Amino acid sequence: DTAVSQTPKYLVTQMGNDKSIKCEQNLGHDTMYWYKQDSKKFLKIMFSYNNKELIINETVPNRFSPKSPDKAHLNLHINSLELGDSAVYFCASSQWGREGTQYFGPGTRLLVL
Amino acid sequence: DAKTTQPTSMDCAEGRAANLPCNHSTISGNEYVYWYRQIHSQGPQYIIHGLKNNETNEMASLIITEDRKSSTLILPHATLRDTAVYYCIVRVGGNSGGSNYKLTFGKGTLLTVNP
Repeated sequence: DTAVSQTPKYLVTQMGNDKSIKCEQNLGHDTMYWYKQDSKKFLKIMFSYNNKELIINETVPNRFSPKSPDKAHLNLHINSLELGDSAVYFCASSQWGREGTQYFGPGTRLLVL
Repeated sequence: DAKTTQPTSMDCAEGRAANLPCNHSTISGNEYVYWYRQIHSQGPQYIIHGLKNNETNEMASLIITEDRKSSTLILPHATLRDTAVYYCIVRVGGNSGGSNYKLTFGKGTLLTVNP
């Protein structure tokens, strides 16, 4: 069983489109995260949710809107996609009180043309 | 969180021990040292963490100097599958809220294990 899964694995789309990436974890964790890894391979936090409540929003453009319907899911919706949004997006989860130990998904490779 | 300094790249022969250094001279008393790795095209993977005592698990050993200003991750018998970027991260342990939820990744060390 995959601990942290993301769909889709690859996403190719045109500028201006709206797209969503989904993340699910079956570890029973209550904190979930979205990270972005750009072409230079820098990995940066975007959002963190704890028990469906937004904890961290790292000055991400408001075209990015995370949604957590329950503790096991954290989705990322992106409006009006831009070329600079092309990156690999990783979802992660952790247990309460053990936020340094995060489990990452396989990533979603987004290419905006 | 304290900053860390790691070599950009290292090589290791298959079957030999890989010793990856990390400097964190500004670490404070309540900050832990975490190690993650990222194998090509995969998500980061947690390896090990420690506060001041040496730690060992099934993946690796972590040696932290007595002054805690540096640490070394040891992969005792490196295999080709250990080729990855290794990240040393220093952060406050546990949950103290707010920005403590995030991991701040640097550039890491690209470890290449050669046959």
